[in-house]
Amino acid sequence: AQSVTQLDSQVPVFEEAPVELRCNYSSSVSVYLFWYVQYPNQGLQLLLKYLSGSTLVESINGFEAEFNKSQTSFHLRKPSVHISDTAEYFCAASYPGTYKYIFGTGTRLKVLA
Amino acid sequence: ETGVTQTPRHLVMGMTNKKSLKCEQHLGHNAMYWYKQSAKKPLELMFVYSLEERVENNSVPSRFSPECPNSSHLFLHLHTLQPEDSALYLCASSQDGPGQETQYFGPGTRLLVL
Repeated sequence: AQSVTQLDSQVPVFEEAPVELRCNYSSSVSVYLFWYVQYPNQGLQLLLKYLSGSTLVESINGFEAEFNKSQTSFHLRKPSVHISDTAEYFCAASYPGTYKYIFGTGTRLKVLA
Repeated sequence: ETGVTQTPRHLVMGMTNKKSLKCEQHLGHNAMYWYKQSAKKPLELMFVYSLEERVENNSVPSRFSPECPNSSHLFLHLHTLQPEDSALYLCASSQDGPGQETQYFGPGTRLLVL
């Protein structure tokens, strides 16, 4: 069955420290991969996505994620976090030519001063 | 108004009530989605409309009834709900392009069923 797993439900980290949020997917077919961020009382916003090509994708606010087909992973990283990065982060997979979107359970990132 | 808006933002209803959730997108998109977000669970895709035609229906109980009168508006009609239906209901829109397009989400309607 197709699934997306985010093993860490909560990740506390100090400001200016690096962070990695883990995402693994399960699929026997090609996938597109996404990271969305949800701030309190708001809807989800796209952070970055992988469709094809370079396996390393970056966002405008310093996050990056690498598609690793052999590990079936799409981990999200940031070398130095800010208080404003405190939010919930969702990994998602979709399948070319379909409207089938599968989300993980989310990881709550808490940046501490 | 810009982006995706949802009304009401909060709703409390009894199990015998009938209510509707409304979503409007101002982005010129032609695909719209309903999701259910419950605590500790993945977002669940409920329905997808493309060019006002339902293209995805993920085994959602019939007490949830979607309606898409045009590409800018999406409704979710609710009747005889159960307490376990209490959740945040998110609407999203995208350009049509199955699977690859970025979805733009509204802030959600928080529903409590008593």
